Amino acid sequence: ILNVEQSPQSLHVQEGDSTNFTCSFPSSNFYALHWYRWETAKSPEALFVMTLNGDEKKKGRISATLNTKEGYSYLYIKGSQPEDSATYLCAFGGTASKLTFGTGTRLQVTL
Amino acid sequence: GAGVSQSPSNKVTEKGKDVELRCDPISGHTALYWYRQRLGQGLEFLIYFQGNSAPDKSGLPSDRFSAERTGESVSTLTIQRTQQEDSAVYLCASRLGYNEQFFGPGTRLTVL
Repeated sequence: ILNVEQSPQSLHVQEGDSTNFTCSFPSSNFYALHWYRWETAKSPEALFVMTLNGDEKKKGRISATLNTKEGYSYLYIKGSQPEDSATYLCAFGGTASKLTFGTGTRLQVTL
Repeated sequence: GAGVSQSPSNKVTEKGKDVELRCDPISGHTALYWYRQRLGQGLEFLIYFQGNSAPDKSGLPSDRFSAERTGESVSTLTIQRTQQEDSAVYLCASRLGYNEQFFGPGTRLTVL
């Protein structure tokens, strides 16, 4: 059984705060690491797909880094806004085809 | 251009009844996945279809669960003799190549 862990489980920040979450995954047999954002009552939406050790990806105020040797990825949100409130899921791909999801970090951003 | 669609959006059933959930993937996506999320838990892989290859059924929790896919289109997930522990949101996702997965809105199944 693959262990994909995310921390913290939940987070409550104020508008304008910057924050980050951690995803840890097995450091062997790595193929890809995905990040998804899941807003309440909507479908999970892909943020990043990362495949190379040292990868850094950015989309607007959200960025992510990847360390495959030690088995972790960080997701950063700069200047959080209420619309960033969602559950952020990471998913580890040990093969090209299948992903194992973490339980997510639930972020709530208040005014 | 439509995304992944699923039906029904909500299903309430009685324990012991069979249910069928439907997924329409994005046209041209060769891979299709079923997941479920039970209350307080993470997304749990159920089954994966890739083109004409044999499906990866390793995530199906019991033989009451089965799924079919017609070519590279619609998939149905069937749960026979539903139990209360089957209550969950069932998500379908499709994928082109080895890129990100595109998820449907899910079916919320409640077994009374």
